[in-house]
Amino acid sequence: AQRVTQPEKLLSVFKGAPVELKCNYSYSGSPELFWYVQYSRQRLQLLLRHISRESIKGFTADLNKGETSFHLKKPFAQEEDSAMYYCALSGRGTSYGKLTFGQGTILTVHP
Amino acid sequence: EAQVTQNPRYLITVTGKKLTVTCSQNMNHEYMSWYRQDPGLGLRQIYYSMNVEVTDKGDVPEGYKVSRKEKRNFPLILESPSPNQTSLYFCASSLGGAQPQHFGDGTRLSIL
Repeated sequence: AQRVTQPEKLLSVFKGAPVELKCNYSYSGSPELFWYVQYSRQRLQLLLRHISRESIKGFTADLNKGETSFHLKKPFAQEEDSAMYYCALSGRGTSYGKLTFGQGTILTVHP
Repeated sequence: EAQVTQNPRYLITVTGKKLTVTCSQNMNHEYMSWYRQDPGLGLRQIYYSMNVEVTDKGDVPEGYKVSRKEKRNFPLILESPSPNQTSLYFCASSLGGAQPQHFGDGTRLSIL
């Protein structure tokens, strides 16, 4: 079974501070991993996916297969980064199409 | 505008009264999926569909039905709703199962 764990329910930082949102996964194979973000009163939207290896809004995430982690990082947090963040895993093979989300982390960036 | 549209946005109903939440996408996506969002539990997948007439169970399918008769529509059916199905529901679509999901605005269901 595939599983995604986001250990922090709430995370608070000050503007300009580095931020790291943790994501650990359990999957027997090579998963597709994503980070989604939900700003207040907006739709859930894709932030980034691991295969694209790009930086979106200053956020990056590296897949660490040894530690089965996909932590989201940003060196200097901005107030507009305050939102709910979800890590998600999409399976392959027989579980292709099955998408598992973590419990979510609410990030608050204080001025 | 490319979008996923859910209806209704809000619904309060009573136990046992059948209801349907509609979901429609205009992006010609093959993959569609339903999720429920509950505090502390995140999003959990209910059902997904890889294409027309192809549906599969997600992690929490009990008490729900779906159908995919047309590519653009993927309704969620609660045949006999119960209070534990009170939740915020999201529909999403994408080009494929491992592709980025496009989400609707959500449907808040309250079952009394």
